[in-house]
Order: sequence, then structure tokens, then C-alpha cells
Amino acid sequence: SQQGEEDPQALSIQEGENATMNCSYKTSINNLQWYRQNSGRGLVHLILIRSNEREKHSGRLRVTLDTSKKSSSLLITASRAADTASYFCATTLGTGTASKLTFGTGTRLQVTL
Amino acid sequence: ETGVTQSPTHLIKTRGQQVTLRCSSQSGHNTVSWYQQALGQGPQFIFQYYREEENGRGNFPPRFSGLQFPNYSSELNVNALELDDSALYLCASSREQGGGANVLTFGAGSRLTVL
Repeated sequence: SQQGEEDPQALSIQEGENATMNCSYKTSINNLQWYRQNSGRGLVHLILIRSNEREKHSGRLRVTLDTSKKSSSLLITASRAADTASYFCATTLGTGTASKLTFGTGTRLQVTL
Repeated sequence: ETGVTQSPTHLIKTRGQQVTLRCSSQSGHNTVSWYQQALGQGPQFIFQYYREEENGRGNFPPRFSGLQFPNYSSELNVNALELDDSALYLCASSREQGGGANVLTFGAGSRLTVL
């Protein structure tokens, strides 16, 4: 079963605009990661935020984490057509199975020129 | 350094058949995980292998089995294929470091169609 839900399911914006995706999860976590997937191919890791962190930046990406609300957001600033992809949040629940990621349902982002 | 490679990229099987999917881990990684991704869904964890032993399993029946070899490559075997097994199968490798924060490197996937 999916751990969480991404919102919105689909998002269409123009190049240069910002894109915000939200992720909610159900259980306590050790960390949360965001991955990107182009057109049914493999996933690429974007950023990891630990449960004791509230905000993290990487280039044009900004991730926030609110453990009290069990939610996270991914902001992509100044979007480009190449950002078109599906974005997934993924949580890790415990030690010993650190490679067991529980993914959300994903947000499909379309960036048009 | 090489990434994660999977083979075959596409395959078609009929119900009841068996399939073997293969994965070569990224250099320096010692843990392999397999995920199933149905169309329009997020990946679901099948199992993880560390030091050639299964180390964690998701909610998948025993007809899903795997192997990890001394060179950290891996196989996923699915017996008695069902129509619902049609999906993209993703292999991911990582370096087990403890601390509950593994970043996974994914392969491009093997797309299985069961007719």
C-alpha cells in the first residue's frame, strides 16, 4: 500500500513559474526523500530531508518537512521544460531496512514553453 | 562509475509462465532492492538483499523471489505469472551505511507485460 499521497495529482505550468507539490504520509518517519521519474523510466534522487530538519535547499529545489502535520512540500523555482516529469515523495520507516522506501502516488508536472 | 543496469528492458509473457529479471548494481553498492510500479502508481517495495540474504520484504507473495550474487548483482524471479503482474520492475542499489537514510540509485526498469 502507498504510504502517502501527493497533491496535486497533476500540475501544468508555464516555463519560469514556480511549481509546488505536497506530500502527506501516515506514520512516523526517519527521513523523507523526493525522487523524479521521466516518462516511465527509472527514478532519480533529488533531495533527502531528515525528520529533525524543517527545510532544505538544493539548487532550484526547496523542501520543507512538518512532522507534526506529517507533510512535506517540494518547490521548484523558475521551472524549465526539462522539469517535466513525475515527482514522488518516499519515506523510510526504520533502521535495518533503510532501502525500503514507501512511495506516494506521485505528481505529474508538465512545464510548457 | 557505472550506474544500475537492468535487463531485459521489455518482455512479454503469458499467464502461468515464469520470468527472471536481472540487475547489476552500481559500483561500490552492497544492497539491492526491487520495486514494482503499476501504471500510474508509485513504486512498491518487493524485497531487499544485503550480503546475499533477503533483508526485508514487502507485501508480495512467495512466488516473487530473488537472489543476490557475490558481485552484488541480483535477480528477481516471478513464478506463475498473473495478469496483475504486468508492471515496470525497478531495481535499485545503495550502500548500506546504517542510520536509516539510504539514497537509492535506480535502474531504468524492466517493463513486463503478461497476456
